[in-house]
Amino acid sequence: AQSVAQPEDQVNVAEGNPLTVKCTYSVSGNPYLFWYVQYPNRGLQFLLKYITGDNLVKGSYGFEAEFNKSQTSFHLKKPSALVSDSALYFCAVRDDDYKLSFGAGTTVTVRA
Amino acid sequence: KAGVTQTPRYLIKTRGQQVTLSCSPISGHRSVSWYQQTPGQGLQFLFEYFSETQRNKGNFPGRFSGRQFSNSRSEMNVSTLELGDSALYLCASSLEKGYEKLFFGSGTQLSVL
Repeated sequence: AQSVAQPEDQVNVAEGNPLTVKCTYSVSGNPYLFWYVQYPNRGLQFLLKYITGDNLVKGSYGFEAEFNKSQTSFHLKKPSALVSDSALYFCAVRDDDYKLSFGAGTTVTVRA
Repeated sequence: KAGVTQTPRYLIKTRGQQVTLSCSPISGHRSVSWYQQTPGQGLQFLFEYFSETQRNKGNFPGRFSGRQFSNSRSEMNVSTLELGDSALYLCASSLEKGYEKLFFGSGTQLSVL
């Protein structure tokens, strides 16, 4: 069975500093990896996905993620964080059976 | 294009009752999946439907069920409600099966008293 781990419950950064949200995964087949963001009282919004190809994936709102097969990681990054990036971030993995598993989520707080 | 619509937005029920939640996917989307979100358990997969067929099911008791209609609209039902069923229930749709992104609704907040 697949699983996703987000080792940090919270990440706090100052505006303008780099932001990294960590994710590691475990899946038996090919990993199909996703990042979603949830703003307060809203549903989840897609940020980016990795299916195959280039290990560096670029997504919405200036976010990118790096797929590392040897470390089974898919960390989310943003070079310069904004206060508006404060939200709950979820990493997810979908296996060959189309079942999607989410990590526990990481709360990002960007201070002005 | 309208997004994923979930109704009702809020529900209050008592233990032992049953509840039906509705989800209208984005027009043209044929896959609908349901998730339960709670502070303690995070996001947990309930089930996924594609062309009226349940393609996948999570680890939830049989009290949780769902269905999809020919117009791709989906409902989920929870019978014999328990206090632990209080959660935000999220519906998501996508064009086809596979690996493209999901579009989520704002959810139905269910409170069981």
